[in-house]
Amino acid sequence: QKEVEQDPGPLSVPEGAIVSLNCTYSNSAFQYFMWYRQYSRKGPELLMYTYSSGNKEDGRFTAQVDKSSKYISLFIRDSQPSDSATYLCAMNVDDMRFGAGTRLTVKP
Amino acid sequence: DAGITQSPRHKVTETGTPVTLRCHQTENHRYMYWYRQDPGHGLRLIHYSYGVKDTDKGEVSDGYSVSRSKTEDFLLTLESATSSQTSVYFCAIRSSQGNEQFFGPGTRLTVL
Repeated sequence: QKEVEQDPGPLSVPEGAIVSLNCTYSNSAFQYFMWYRQYSRKGPELLMYTYSSGNKEDGRFTAQVDKSSKYISLFIRDSQPSDSATYLCAMNVDDMRFGAGTRLTVKP
Repeated sequence: DAGITQSPRHKVTETGTPVTLRCHQTENHRYMYWYRQDPGHGLRLIHYSYGVKDTDKGEVSDGYSVSRSKTEDFLLTLESATSSQTSVYFCAIRSSQGNEQFFGPGTRLTVL
């Protein structure tokens, strides 16, 4: 079993939809949680960073962490075609561990 | 943009040849990382550095070596490239303020 599990998708939604992306993890020692966005043939770009349970909001993006369930989510409101990318969850104590990524397409 | 560049951006080489990838950063970050990204596996850590001449192995270090003789440069070497090392390689730095990492643009390596 991988330490971090992420549904690879692909996920396709219409423009304006609310998108929910999720990861589960097995290592209860993870303390820091991140979401990255990666456009095709580009490097991952940090979207959200949190280290506590609960919600963190930044514009149209909300990161949610539930340490008791070992579950993290990223919500995208009012999704746009420019949100079409692969989204990677990541978490660490020392070494970073990444999910395999979910490919999202937002259709106009 | 965390001031990270990688070179070359693309490389095609043959099995058995040595290959060196370079990561350069301009902001004096102490921690630097090399990852490889493969379909179905996500990003996996190869080696990392926590200072000049200070390096350690990651999850998938076999067949790779690294060197860091200056703060700004972190080199990844494949001593004798194999087809299984065909991948996209990303360099990253760790933020000075926290644990988040920032990535370079990547090097696409093909070993024939």
